[in-house]
Amino acid sequence: RKEVEQDPGPFNVPEGATVAFNCTYSNSASQSFFWYRQDCRKEPKLLMSVYSSGNEDGRFTAQLNRASQYISLLIRDSKLSDSATYLCVVPRGGSQGNLIFGKGTKLSVKP
Amino acid sequence: DTGVSQNPRHKITKRGQNVTFRCDPISEHNRLYWYRQTLGQGPEFLTYFQNEAQLEKSRLLSDRFSAERPKGSFSTLEIQRTEQGDSAMYLCASRSEYEQYFGPGTRLTVT
Repeated sequence: RKEVEQDPGPFNVPEGATVAFNCTYSNSASQSFFWYRQDCRKEPKLLMSVYSSGNEDGRFTAQLNRASQYISLLIRDSKLSDSATYLCVVPRGGSQGNLIFGKGTKLSVKP
Repeated sequence: DTGVSQNPRHKITKRGQNVTFRCDPISEHNRLYWYRQTLGQGPEFLTYFQNEAQLEKSRLLSDRFSAERPKGSFSTLEIQRTEQGDSAMYLCASRSEYEQYFGPGTRLTVT
């Protein structure tokens, strides 16, 4: 298994749709996880942190399943402005270490 | 602007030339990271500093690459004898207790 693996995408959805991205990780000792958002030709920016079973922030919900080594990101009521690449991220060596990024899943929300 | 800054934003160079990039982290952050990102991939870790000490280097950082952070503030990444495969976005990040903040990146094109 790769260190961090994501759905390849792209996901093309209409405005208002609910979309979910999946991510698996190989290091069972990992304690914290992140979803970053990256707009085209821009730097990644932190979207959500996941330290326990999950986290919710408005339209965004991240869930963690440690037994399956699986993280998901759910976006409800998609907006045009949600169009971006979503990167699943696992710190190496605990939360103080460098970050291991998945390849990213591209989301395109259409009118 | 109190975020992470990088210079230059774009660099076009001919194969075999040397290039140097600069990163200015958020002033109170003592941890600084360099990553490289190629098209369709997530960022890949290159190296990490805590203050002026370079604590970790990826195997991606060949002998042609060198990074410094002489006074524990700004950092430079030098690539000697550039190759076409070095073409990528080079991202710098600095870290607070909870989050890595990325700079806008330097996009390198080797012709």
